[in-house]
Amino acid sequence: KNEVEQSPQNLTAQEGEFITINCSYSVGISALHWLQQHPGGGIVSLFMLSSGKKKHGRLIATINIQEKHSSLHITASHPRDSAVYICALFGNEKLTFGTGTRLTIIP
Amino acid sequence: NAGVTQTPKFRVLKTGQSMTLLCAQDMNHEYMYWYRQDPGMGLRLIHYSVGEGTTAKGEVPDGYNVSRLKKQNFLLGLESAAPSQTSVYFCASLSPAWRNTIYFGEGSWLTVV
Repeated sequence: KNEVEQSPQNLTAQEGEFITINCSYSVGISALHWLQQHPGGGIVSLFMLSSGKKKHGRLIATINIQEKHSSLHITASHPRDSAVYICALFGNEKLTFGTGTRLTIIP
Repeated sequence: NAGVTQTPKFRVLKTGQSMTLLCAQDMNHEYMYWYRQDPGMGLRLIHYSVGEGTTAKGEVPDGYNVSRLKKQNFLLGLESAAPSQTSVYFCASLSPAWRNTIYFGEGSWLTVV
């Protein structure tokens, strides 16, 4: 079993829909990161979480340390949100990545 | 991705050739990582370093070597390139003591023929 599992693997939605991407993990961590990768490859950091909830614009990230689960939400989704969203664990000096969720928002 | 620079961005190698990828960061980060990204497999850790002069193996280290002689640079070497090493390589850095934000290089596309 992988240390970090993301779901769904692929998600297609209409513009304006509320999006939820999930990340479950099985190991102890110091922090959990959500990242965004656009076509062409560039990877940018969206959030770093060690507890609770963070919000940036239309993006909201939550983490439940006891349940080893995190979610990334996008409100009022837009075609420019189309990208791969990746969950990453930081612990024991290592960064471990999920395989990502490919999100496509249709106008 | 301000702060982390990878060179080269594109390279075609023949089987058996050697090459070095350079990752340079100007943020004084302690931790640096090399990953490869293959379709459907996500980012897999090759080697990493938690400080100048230290390196450690990751998930897929075979066929690669690394060095961190200076804090700002992390080099990834392919000793004898194989077609299985065709991939996109990403470097990342972070400082656990400062915000813990991950910074990525733009990627290096390597093809081994």
